Amino acid sequence: EVQLVESGGGLVQPGGSLRLSCAASGYTFTNDWMSWVRQAPGKGLEWVANIKPDGSEKYYVDSVKGRFTISRDNAENSLYLQMNSLRADDTAVYYCVRGGTTASYWGQGTLVTVSS
Amino acid sequence: QSALTQPASVSGSPGQSITISCTGTSSDVGGYKYVSWYQQHPGKAPKLLIYDVSNRPSGVSNRFSGSKSDNTASLTISGLQAEDEADYYCSSYRGSSTLGVFGTGTKVTVL
Repeated sequence: EVQLVESGGGLVQPGGSLRLSCAASGYTFTNDWMSWVRQAPGKGLEWVANIKPDGSEKYYVDSVKGRFTISRDNAENSLYLQMNSLRADDTAVYYCVRGGTTASYWGQGTLVTVSS
Repeated sequence: QSALTQPASVSGSPGQSITISCTGTSSDVGGYKYVSWYQQHPGKAPKLLIYDVSNRPSGVSNRFSGSKSDNTASLTISGLQAEDEADYYCSSYRGSSTLGVFGTGTKVTVL
């Protein structure tokens, strides 16, 4: 059974940093692109970043370029999102997703709240 | 990076069929065969319903079907059931070296 379990969310002040983690299991992690998708409260879905299986290519939505960094540890079957210079409009549930174009499996999500 | 356009809401009675549209451009929906559809119940993570325009993952009911014409993709739910009441999102590939794009989302109400 495919499982994606996110952790690391929480309350952070504007300008602060947070690192999200995602532990993958139940499939061959090294075969697939991985992504982060977010959903602001009461709003729609947004692709945030994705990363190639070997980590050699990474893409970001314009609003997070230069602030967020996606990475992966294939030895640990883990995906990460380092978020710096956080802003109020980054407040959202962040989902770890298997796939770069089609989100075939989703984690349960972790809530990030940016507020003073 | 504008979102794809979906109707805000669609409703139907049990047993009926409804169709949700997803309109983009020749740079996304119209240019590739990589449109997917997701169902999201309140407080839950989205679930993949359709991938590559018209393919259903294992375990997804055949009441859900997808199609595409020019720059518009569509999701049809046949034999509408109470459990289909949820939010639905489309997504499309937009080419290499960039992220995909989601639709604005459609709330389906079963009357």
